[in-house]
Amino acid sequence: GQNIDQPTEMTATEGAIVQINCTYQTSGFNGLFWYQQHAGEAPTFLSYNVLDGLEEKGRFSSFLSRSKGYSYLLLKELQMKDSASYLCAAVAGDYKLSFGAGTTVTVRA
Amino acid sequence: GAVVSQHPSWVICKSGTSVKIECRSLDFQATTMFWYRQFPKQSLMLMATSNEGSKATYEQGVEKDKFLINHASLTLSTLTVTSAHPEDSSFYICSARNPTSGDYNEQFFGPGTRLTVL
Repeated sequence: GQNIDQPTEMTATEGAIVQINCTYQTSGFNGLFWYQQHAGEAPTFLSYNVLDGLEEKGRFSSFLSRSKGYSYLLLKELQMKDSASYLCAAVAGDYKLSFGAGTTVTVRA
Repeated sequence: GAVVSQHPSWVICKSGTSVKIECRSLDFQATTMFWYRQFPKQSLMLMATSNEGSKATYEQGVEKDKFLINHASLTLSTLTVTSAHPEDSSFYICSARNPTSGDYNEQFFGPGTRLTVL
């Protein structure tokens, strides 16, 4: 079975840093994705972790610990346009994605 | 590369009618496509896996006779919502896997189709 947990909402100030945690219990785990989704739009790819450790891409970084079933997405130097829903998704060996409920991030001036 | 399109982007229909949604991979061949449904303020829920040339695999609780999936070519999968009812109103999103992609697990998402059943 699949169980993906992430916080429902987070609020932060422009220019600040926010960390979104995600825990998962996934049969046949084969990697962890993070997506950004604005209201009424499809998800857009942010990052993919398959090995333990930190992957950095500009202002966004993602971390994975397979032994702990844990990942986080780190958003630095927050901008107003970063206000969106962030989806954690685990992929299993059959290529199926199981999504968490999403974390709504609100960036305030 | 790796662009996925969906048509239509939105559709309004009367209760009892059928609606067809198309998902196309524009610049790659997708042996596997996935159909998701997303209700307001909820996450994406996988409905079915569409495999080119064979029957779709449906997730538990998804009625295969209501949500007909056809994957007739390597670049096109269609989802037909039959006898649509207001509770079928949702955001339907498809994704496609590019088997030649360096990251074989990555899925490329279409822009979604907003279905409203009156």
